[in-house]
Amino acid sequence: DVQLVQSGAVVKKTGESLRISCKGSGYNFPMYLITWVRQIPGKGLEWMGRIDPSDSYTDYSPSFYGHVTISVDKSISTAYLQWSSLRASDTAIYYCAKSSTPWHFDSWGQGTLVTVPS
Amino acid sequence: QSALTQPASVSGSPGQSITISCTGSSSDVGGYTYVSWYQHHPGKAPKLMIYDVSVRPSGVSNRFSGSKSGNTASLTISGLQAEDEADYYCSSYTASSTVLFGGGSRVTVL
Repeated sequence: DVQLVQSGAVVKKTGESLRISCKGSGYNFPMYLITWVRQIPGKGLEWMGRIDPSDSYTDYSPSFYGHVTISVDKSISTAYLQWSSLRASDTAIYYCAKSSTPWHFDSWGQGTLVTVPS
Repeated sequence: QSALTQPASVSGSPGQSITISCTGSSSDVGGYTYVSWYQHHPGKAPKLMIYDVSVRPSGVSNRFSGSKSGNTASLTISGLQAEDEADYYCSSYTASSTVLFGGGSRVTVL
């Protein structure tokens, strides 16, 4: 079975750095894109960006470009979403998702809750 | 980029049909056949219900169907069931090579 297992919930302070992970299993990891999606509590889904694990090529939403970094270690089938300086406004659930095309996502992780108290 | 426009809520009785609209522009919904729909029960992972406007992934009930006309895409749920109560999001590929989600629609089964 295809699975995307994300790292657990975290509470961080403003200005701290953070890296969350998404480990894929049950499929050929390098052959499928990984996308990250944000959901602020009580709000909708927002596309953050994607990475091609085969060559680490990334695309970012203008809303997130420069604030987050998406990376991958295909040797361990794991994608990452990283912040160098967290803000209170980064408090959200972050989902990773797998896809064969850039525009639809067929399997999703369980989500990682990131809390940055103000 | 502003989110695609969806109604905040849609409701129906068991057995009825409901339709959720998703309105964008010629730079996204109207310009591509790359519209998808996701079902999201809070606290769980979203689930792909429709992709490429009207294609159902394996395992998704044929009670779910998708269509598009101009800049507006639609998801229809027929034979509404209690388990269909969830949030539904549309998404579209855009001219900027990004993906835009709709604001989400809460479906309530009366």
